[in-house]
Amino acid sequence: EVQLLESGGDSVQPGGSLRLSCAASGFSFRTYSMSWVRQAPGKGLEWVSGINEVGGPYYADSVKGRFFISRDTSSSMLYLEMNSLRAEDTAVYYCAKDYPNPVGIAPLFDYWGQGTLVTVSS
Amino acid sequence: DIVMTQTPLSSPVTLGQPASISCRSSQSLVHSNGNTYLNWLQQRPGQPPRLLIYEISNRFSGVPDRFSGSGAGTEFTLKISRVEAEDVGIYYCMQATQFPRTFGQGTRLEIK
Repeated sequence: EVQLLESGGDSVQPGGSLRLSCAASGFSFRTYSMSWVRQAPGKGLEWVSGINEVGGPYYADSVKGRFFISRDTSSSMLYLEMNSLRAEDTAVYYCAKDYPNPVGIAPLFDYWGQGTLVTVSS
Repeated sequence: DIVMTQTPLSSPVTLGQPASISCRSSQSLVHSNGNTYLNWLQQRPGQPPRLLIYEISNRFSGVPDRFSGSGAGTEFTLKISRVEAEDVGIYYCMQATQFPRTFGQGTRLEIK
């Protein structure tokens, strides 16, 4: 059974930092790209960052230079280091399976975690 | 960035009646490998998103056959043949053809 379990969400002041984690299990983590998607309270979904199977990162313009994605294949963990946090970063952050390598063996974004809440407020 | 536009943004439907949601992308979603990475997601109240349809028209595992997807290029549609109470929620189209991944604004499906 595929499981994605996010953790690390907290309440932090503007300008602060936070590190989110996503523990993956039930699939071959090393062969999948992964993504972080967030949802502000009462709003829609916004893709934040992705990382391919060899560690190449991708970022939304809204977080570029402030957020850093990484992965530890040996422990099947995905991370999001969040710096210089702003009120507009307040959201539930989901990790999701992105594309597999090779593409075609599974749908993209077929599994999502339950999410972890980040609140940025003074 | 590819902009995804959904219509309508709200859809009141009578139980047992059909529902349809449209999604338009600002550019073609055909990937260089020939596939079109257009997904439909369902988000029930208080739940994370759930994959319903992938690559335009393929139902994901466990998704009832009353859900269907169609379209090509830049125009896509999600149809529910007979709405049930458990279908209440917000539906999103999303593209995973290129980075950044982008989502439609969401369509709220509610029962009349």
